[in-house]
Amino acid sequence: EAQVTQNPRYLITVTGKKLTVTCSQNMNHEYMSWYRQDPGLGLRQIYYSMNVEVTDKGDVPEGYKVSRKEKRNFPLILESPSPNQTSLYFCASSQTSQNAQYFGPGTRLLVL
Amino acid sequence: QKEVEQDPGPLSVPEGAIVSLNCTYSNSAFQYFMWYRQYSRKGPELLMYTYSSGNKEDGRFTAQVDKSSKYISLFIRDSQPSDSATYLCAGGNNRLAFGKGNQVVVIP
Repeated sequence: EAQVTQNPRYLITVTGKKLTVTCSQNMNHEYMSWYRQDPGLGLRQIYYSMNVEVTDKGDVPEGYKVSRKEKRNFPLILESPSPNQTSLYFCASSQTSQNAQYFGPGTRLLVL
Repeated sequence: QKEVEQDPGPLSVPEGAIVSLNCTYSNSAFQYFMWYRQYSRKGPELLMYTYSSGNKEDGRFTAQVDKSSKYISLFIRDSQPSDSATYLCAGGNNRLAFGKGNQVVVIP
């Protein structure tokens, strides 16, 4: 089944404790992206990757890192999480940047 | 100004009614447009994809794009309770910009 998977689905952590949210797609897509979704603000792009080893900042990159060492994986790293990073995070992928994006199920993060 | 503006609603309609959702966008470089449906506690799922101006129909769903007025619309005919969800519009060129989402409730 073609899908985007994310892990973990739910995470509670404390300020400053590094964490990684994994994202994997099995559709051989070149383009991958991370979004956060907050009430009243909608979906905002954090980082995106046009292909392996090519990443770029989205609208709200501060406090986040990404890497794209393999085509299928695009982990999101929070080196020192803060409470304002409490949010619902979505990974998405598409064949190219101009194709429809397919979203993962989401990761709900709470930073205390 | 956000690149894509969408009235968050909510919008309540009786079952069988036509649902009409609209967005405006400001970036004239946008070439493609999408509508996503998002159920509570789920990821957005693609509903309609349109490249440039025009209409696209898929079953009970019709998407319209008017690039001259920078207007995106989604119509849902014969609405069903299962259509109750949040609908997100998006436009893009090399990356997508999303509206805030419009919550729709279809009342049986």
